[in-house]
Amino acid sequence: EPEVTQTPSHQVTQMGQEVILRCVPISNHLYFYWYRQILGQKVEFLVSFYNNEISEKSEIFDDQFSVERPDGSNFTLKIRSTKLEDSAMYFCASALRQDTDTQYFGPGTRLTVL
Amino acid sequence: GENVEQHPSTLSVQEGDSAVIKCTYSDSASNYFPWYKQELGKRPQLIIDIRSNVGEKKDQRIAVTLNKTAKHFSLHITETQPEDSAVYFCAGSDSNYQLIWGAGTKLIIKP
Repeated sequence: EPEVTQTPSHQVTQMGQEVILRCVPISNHLYFYWYRQILGQKVEFLVSFYNNEISEKSEIFDDQFSVERPDGSNFTLKIRSTKLEDSAMYFCASALRQDTDTQYFGPGTRLTVL
Repeated sequence: GENVEQHPSTLSVQEGDSAVIKCTYSDSASNYFPWYKQELGKRPQLIIDIRSNVGEKKDQRIAVTLNKTAKHFSLHITETQPEDSAVYFCAGSDSNYQLIWGAGTKLIIKP
């Protein structure tokens, strides 16, 4: 069964540095998402992406965040200048359709900002 | 926007007993309600979902019920087993198709 994959599994960075989190969605899926989960808390929506542009974004997704689909397979989340509070697990998800369709999650990238 | 509340935050049941987790939502336009199971350090895994045109759905020991009028939905796990121990999240898809998540329920199955 196809799965969403994410790299790296763990990223440690210094505050103020830029990080890029990578995701490979399921190949025939059209909708892509990033979520964040701070340790012990609920999963929070960051952004959805379709047809090479952002569909929706939450209040968390401010100017330090950006997403990109640089080629036909990868979907990336860039955090320009990391802050301590960006430390969290970041999950990528993909879905075949947007409305009422199952979102499949990747294994996550644990980001630690020192 | 959508707000999803989930209760209880922790649920401890004896192995073999049933567990029920409840969620309420605020956006009457929400039409998709998945339940995810997350084991420690792992990704959320979809276990069951329900769409607003259905009142109940069952998959072996797991069932979900939806009351659109009251805007609440529940997860029912029967004959609980040790491997059911995990954190369970409900979610609702709002009018912008964002998944808004509940705070999670830590389910503990006592042997």
